[in-house]
Amino acid sequence: VTLLEQNPRWRLVPRGQAVNLRCILKNSQYPWMSWYQQDLQKQLQWLFTLRSPGDKEVKSLPGADYLATRVTDTELRLQVANMSQGRTLYCTCSAVGGDQNTLYFGAGTRLSVL
Amino acid sequence: QQKVQQSPESLIVPEGGMASLNCTSSDRNVDYFWWYRQHSGKSPKMLMSIFSNGEKEEGRFTVHLNKASLHTSLHIRDSQPSDSALYLCAASSGSWQLIFGSGTQLTVMP
Repeated sequence: VTLLEQNPRWRLVPRGQAVNLRCILKNSQYPWMSWYQQDLQKQLQWLFTLRSPGDKEVKSLPGADYLATRVTDTELRLQVANMSQGRTLYCTCSAVGGDQNTLYFGAGTRLSVL
Repeated sequence: QQKVQQSPESLIVPEGGMASLNCTSSDRNVDYFWWYRQHSGKSPKMLMSIFSNGEKEEGRFTVHLNKASLHTSLHIRDSQPSDSALYLCAASSGSWQLIFGSGTQLTVMP
């Protein structure tokens, strides 16, 4: 059973342009939603965890700038800007926050730089 | 500095053999460990979790945890070609985020 729907699945991003990603939660029993990035060396890194509609956070990491928004109880968005290296962004969900929070991953959005 | 170290980086085992993967955290606050498996081109999927000292077995998969040394290991017996994947260890120290290791690439040769 699919818990998360991510789109787009792949995007070629011209250097200097921003791209908007979307994640839809299919099961409200897993309301803690997060974004993780996986770089080209397969290293996974936490970006954000947003629980409530209206929550917003920004972060700058080597190779990209991020703005995450929890739009509704079922929708999470991520804007990726100034990306210089390709990466895959995964949306995740879990039943509880903090400890013992087993993560379930979406299918991912693969971003490549043009 | 990487807080979750995995070894080996890559591992090749024959079909039917035993694969042993290791993971250690350098963060003394870590309390919980997970093992995820990621097939090529797919997203990570949770394989097993362990939160208490000792051993946990599920089918062909066994995980061990030593909380004193913050070391966990995953053992796959009777390895199958379909087990070929990237195995990721993750740890939590009570915050929202899971810290992932860089993974062990397992190849099971038919």
